[in-house]
Amino acid sequence: GAVVSQHPSRVICKSGTSVKIECRSLDFQATTMFWYRQFPKQSLMLMATSNEGSKATYEQGVEKDKFLINHASLTLSTLTVTSAHPEDSSFYICSARKLAGGSYEQYFGPGTRLTVT
Amino acid sequence: RKEVEQDPGPFNVPEGATVAFNCTYSNSASQSFFWYRQDCRKEPKLLMSVYSSGNEDGRFTAQLNRASQYISLLIRDSKLSDSATYLCAVSSSGGSYIPTFGRGTSLIVHP
Repeated sequence: GAVVSQHPSRVICKSGTSVKIECRSLDFQATTMFWYRQFPKQSLMLMATSNEGSKATYEQGVEKDKFLINHASLTLSTLTVTSAHPEDSSFYICSARKLAGGSYEQYFGPGTRLTVT
Repeated sequence: RKEVEQDPGPFNVPEGATVAFNCTYSNSASQSFFWYRQDCRKEPKLLMSVYSSGNEDGRFTAQLNRASQYISLLIRDSKLSDSATYLCAVSSSGGSYIPTFGRGTSLIVHP
């Protein structure tokens, strides 16, 4: 397996403020990390692919200026939710990709539950 | 048609039962297949990769049917602790191996 940490696990912020979420691969280097959002009883929705040393690739409908992604090292990617609104309240999960046995396996962080009041 | 489809369930089974889930995918070029388990309000955890020849890990057996484009997960001798949502994931080189997840199948094992 592999270990991915995410911080904070839970955050409550006021509307209009920004929140930064960190994702770290603890025991392997990850050139690629992913950011997902999951609403209750819904599937994981890929927001963006974070590539170390280059710009993130955003999925259609995800505002890159609102969800800022930085992947400055092989073990750390950050997601900043800028000017948060109540509709941004969700479960944000990162994952890191590891090459194993000829295929890529994804390992998820424990998630960050964001509540915007 | 969605890329990856799963019956959301829930599947309600008694302890000790055998239960199977399927997951269909639309991209015939898909190359990698996985099953994840997600507990309520937690992150998905990799349960097992699915190999062409099928693979088994204890009470769990995963199979791939390329002709019909689906993967399956069989759980034998269900335990209460198996209650969770089971997500399948499919990826291909054409998609840069970025997996697409199904919505998940909910399993409830009762005493």
